[in-house]
Amino acid sequence: GAVVSQHPSWVICKSGTSVKIECRSLDFQATTMFWYRQFPKQSLMLMATSNEGSKATYEQGVEKDKFLINHASLTLSTLTVTSAHPEDSSFYICSADGLADTGELFFGEGSRLTVL
Amino acid sequence: RKEVEQDPGPFNVPEGATVAFNCTYSNSASQSFFWYRQDCRKEPKLLMSVYSSGNEDGRFTAQLNRASQYISLLIRDSKLSDSATYLCVVRTSNTGKLIFGQGTTLQVKP
Repeated sequence: GAVVSQHPSWVICKSGTSVKIECRSLDFQATTMFWYRQFPKQSLMLMATSNEGSKATYEQGVEKDKFLINHASLTLSTLTVTSAHPEDSSFYICSADGLADTGELFFGEGSRLTVL
Repeated sequence: RKEVEQDPGPFNVPEGATVAFNCTYSNSASQSFFWYRQDCRKEPKLLMSVYSSGNEDGRFTAQLNRASQYISLLIRDSKLSDSATYLCVVRTSNTGKLIFGQGTTLQVKP
C-alpha cells in the first residue's frame, strides 16, 4: 500500500527557534496532503490542507504565519513551526490520499515536538 | 456540537469479551466512513472502512446507519492486542478532509 514518511520523529528545541517537519509520499504522487496536530488525550485536529504548487488552506484558528506549509513537489510537503513556544509542543502528523480513490488516507509516523 | 462524537471511555473488558463502540456524525453530506486504530504515541492506522451494507473483517464488524447518522464497531473475542484508541472518522468526499472523533479507548485485560 501507499507509504507516507515523516521526519523527524522526535524533536526537542528551545523556545523561539523554528522547526521544520517533512512529509514524503514514497511510492506515489500526492497533490494534496493534510497536516494534523494532536495534543495528549485529544483527537487529531486538522491544521491545514497542503496543495502542490499553491498556497495551503488553513483551518479556522490556525495561524498561517506561524505554521508555514510548503508543498513544492508532488512527493514532499513541509511544515515549519516558526518561533516555537512550549504551547506548540504536540504530535504533528501528515497524511495523503493513497493510489486508489477510496477515501482512505495514509498517515506519516508523526513528529513529536517538545519546546523547552 | 462536534462534527463527530464518540464516547471516550475507557472501556475495560476481559479477554474474550465482545465490545461495541458507537459514533455519531453531524454532516448529512458525509460520504466516506472509517474506523482507525491508534496506539499510544503512534500514528492512526486504518482498521476498516464502513459501508452502507455493513461489513465484517474477522472479529471486527462495522455498521453504518445513514438515516440516524450513526456508525458502530463491534469487536468479538477481544484480545490483549486490541487495546488501543479507536477513532471514528468521517469524510465529506473521497478527496476532502478527514474529520476525527475524539476516540474511544479500549483496554483489554487478562
